[in-house]
Amino acid sequence: DAMVIQNPRYQVTQFGKPVTLSCSQTLNHNVMYWYQQKSSQAPKLLFHYYDKDFNNEADTPDNFQSRRPNTSFCFLDIRSPGLGDAAMYLCATSRTTGLVTDTQYFGPGTRLTVL
Amino acid sequence: AQTVTQSQPEMSVQEAETVTLSCTYDTSESNYYLFWYKQPPSRQMILVIRQEAYKQQNATENRFSVNFQKAAKSFSLKISDSQLGDTAMYFCAFMIGRMRFGAGTRLTVKP
Repeated sequence: DAMVIQNPRYQVTQFGKPVTLSCSQTLNHNVMYWYQQKSSQAPKLLFHYYDKDFNNEADTPDNFQSRRPNTSFCFLDIRSPGLGDAAMYLCATSRTTGLVTDTQYFGPGTRLTVL
Repeated sequence: AQTVTQSQPEMSVQEAETVTLSCTYDTSESNYYLFWYKQPPSRQMILVIRQEAYKQQNATENRFSVNFQKAAKSFSLKISDSQLGDTAMYFCAFMIGRMRFGAGTRLTVKP
């Protein structure tokens, strides 16, 4: 089945220690998104890739970076995690043609704990 | 500003009964998509139903249906014959360029 896969499902890191979360998709969608979701809140968009074009949200801290080496994979790098970065990180994909963006499909998320 | 408002932070319903979750939004655009997503305690966000704004007919997916009132900018979700597995956080969202989510409604289905 076509899907969005996130690894690992649970990640524990130490304060200040860089961490990378990964996302892959078999949907062949051209847009990939990273969201941060804290408990009982709506997902907050960090950035997205439209094909190879990176689009950062204005309020996304510089501590968060992303890479998309090919259509299928996208990575979220947190350079120096703080306690406030502990959250669920959701990856999503969609197909966009011209100005029309279709449904976003989400992965299961990676729960990040910062000690 | 393009915003989504879910005015019911929490709701509960008895198993087999019907419940309606409300959602209003604000946009000056005329063409967009509207969505309801479900997020169970396992936390994976699952698409429940999708509505294209230019379609007047309300979307239906099995026990889930919407009441889309474009002029009123209202997009409510009706769940019929509620099941225990419907217990989840429900997010209303609309997409114009980027997805805008409401704050969510936590629905509990009671046996």
